[in-house]
Amino acid sequence: DGGITQSPKYLFRKEGQNVTLSCEQNLNHDAMYWYRQDPGQGLRLIYYSQIVNDFQKGDIAEGYSVSREKKESFPLTVTSAQKNPTAFYLCASGAGTLSGNTIYFGEGSWLTVV
Amino acid sequence: SQQGEEDPQALSIQEGENATMNCSYKTSINNLQWYRQNSGRGLVHLILIRSNEREKHSGRLRVTLDTSKKSSSLLITASRAADTASYFCALRTQGGSEKLVFGKGTKLTVNP
Repeated sequence: DGGITQSPKYLFRKEGQNVTLSCEQNLNHDAMYWYRQDPGQGLRLIYYSQIVNDFQKGDIAEGYSVSREKKESFPLTVTSAQKNPTAFYLCASGAGTLSGNTIYFGEGSWLTVV
Repeated sequence: SQQGEEDPQALSIQEGENATMNCSYKTSINNLQWYRQNSGRGLVHLILIRSNEREKHSGRLRVTLDTSKKSSSLLITASRAADTASYFCALRTQGGSEKLVFGKGTKLTVNP
């Protein structure tokens, strides 16, 4: 099936550790995105990538890092520098301008710092 | 702020009633989109309306856009319990950026 796969669904991290959230898509989309959602809140953009080997910071990039070595993959690393990482993380992809920027989401990953 | 603001923040109705949610924004847009999120899940795209369009329909959904007032509304007719979810508007602002900016959402509860 075509779609976006995020893993793991649930992740627990000790303070001071880095963790990496996986995002893979088989929709042949050029653009990929990472959003953070806190309980009862909207989505805030962390990073986005419009093409392989290129990415831009979103509104809350501090404490996060990404890579885009393959079109299908856009992993997000939550570093120990992120002060309050406990949140729901959503990955998305889109075909870009031609689609009007409609984007398609994965099922999300819950990260809890213990 | 570039994000849209949904109103109301929460809405509770009975099955069969219509639900109306509004989104106001301050910037110039290329298009405005509505997404739905069931609790703890990813978002699902519902409908996209371009800045030169005034109204679009999709099944029981009707979206309007008034660029002079910088506002949009999402109407769900004949609501069902399965429509219970959070609804978000997302803006694609003018300027060529590929990113979408999301509001904080309206939480809709449809009571059976």
